[in-house]
Amino acid sequence: AQSVAQPEDQVNVAEGNPLTVKCTYSVSGNPYLFWYVQYPNRGLQFLLKYITGDNLVKGSYGFEAEFNKSQTSFHLKKPSALVSDSALYFCAVRGDAGGGNKLTFGTGTQLKVEL
Amino acid sequence: NAGVTQTPKFRVLKTGQSMTLLCAQDMNHEYMYWYRQDPGMGLRLIHYSVGEGTTAKGEVPDGYNVSRLKKQNFLLGLESAAPSQTSVYFCASSPFTTYEQYFGPGTRLTVT
Repeated sequence: AQSVAQPEDQVNVAEGNPLTVKCTYSVSGNPYLFWYVQYPNRGLQFLLKYITGDNLVKGSYGFEAEFNKSQTSFHLKKPSALVSDSALYFCAVRGDAGGGNKLTFGTGTQLKVEL
Repeated sequence: NAGVTQTPKFRVLKTGQSMTLLCAQDMNHEYMYWYRQDPGMGLRLIHYSVGEGTTAKGEVPDGYNVSRLKKQNFLLGLESAAPSQTSVYFCASSPFTTYEQYFGPGTRLTVT
């Protein structure tokens, strides 16, 4: 069975500072990894994905994520945080053995960016 | 192009009542999903569909039924609502080839 862990319920960052939201995963076979963002009272929005290739993946709104196979991690990063980045972030994994593109989501990390 | 839409946005039910949530997508995606989101638990897959006329159980299917009679629609039914089904429900769709899922705005359901 596949699983995702987001070890921090909340991350606080000052605006302009770099941010990292952590994610580790467990899956059989090659992992397909995703980050989504959820703003209050909205659905999830896709940010970026890793399927294969370069370990550093760039996505929407200046976010990027680094795939580390040996540490089974896929941390989300941004060089300079904005107050508008404050939201709930979800990491998700799809194992390549599964059908239907089913994703398993982490429990989410609340990012708070303060002035 | 509306993407994924959900009807209704809010609903309050009494225990034992039934209802159907409608999801529609206009992106011609093959796959569709129903999730529930509860505080501290992330999103959990209820049922999903890999094509018109097919459905399959997800992680938490008990108490729910689904149907996909048309490719663009995916219905989630609660036959006899229980307070434990109070949640926010999200529908999503995904193309066969690119793996990411596209989400609707959600339905907030309260069962009293």
